[in-house]
Amino acid sequence: GENVEQHPSTLSVQEGDSAVIKCTYSDSASNYFPWYKQELGKRPQLIIDIRSNVGEKKDQRIAVTLNKTAKHFSLHITETQPEDSAVYFCAASKGNQGGKLIFGQGTELSVKP
Amino acid sequence: SAVISQKPSRDICQRGTSLTIQCQVDSQVTMMFWYRQQPGQSLTLIATANQGSEATYESGFVIDKFPISRPNLTFSTLTVSNMSPEDSSIYLCSVENTRNTEAFFGQGTRLTVV
Repeated sequence: GENVEQHPSTLSVQEGDSAVIKCTYSDSASNYFPWYKQELGKRPQLIIDIRSNVGEKKDQRIAVTLNKTAKHFSLHITETQPEDSAVYFCAASKGNQGGKLIFGQGTELSVKP
Repeated sequence: SAVISQKPSRDICQRGTSLTIQCQVDSQVTMMFWYRQQPGQSLTLIATANQGSEATYESGFVIDKFPISRPNLTFSTLTVSNMSPEDSSIYLCSVENTRNTEAFFGQGTRLTVV
């Protein structure tokens, strides 16, 4: 079955710097790759997603890139702010079942003012 | 996105007992899912709740331990049976947006088994 590996497990940056989180997946049939942000004690919130027919997607300070050949996708956050501090999860799914997700291990991002 | 309500938000239960978690959505959805998030860990899919038929369980999860109901397109329950301390986790329901397959989560049920 699908396996999603996420790195790093923790990431500390200064406010205003960029942060990059990387994920790899094993199942070449996976075609949907969402990213979730989870603040302490809260539910995971979808922040951006990308489908396999697209190589890059951007939404304000957040961007996601996908390399299907390498089975690799990344989250890029620019101009980080303290409120970006949270745990970020990548995930993968296939077919039309966008809710049947295999998650990465998570990255705890800390943005220091 | 759909509004998802989960009950209870938290509970402390005695080992050997069972707890049923409810998930209510404010609109009809085709796909509903149940996830487990152990303390400090990632999310693991337990099962897909199918309307009108038995749930589809992922490897490592069985119906006797985690029976699921899905009586209609807006409601599902997950029961954690014969609980042990190892079942202490956050349990989350999730629904898939029919239009674009994005998935959204309920607020979770924080279960502590003592």
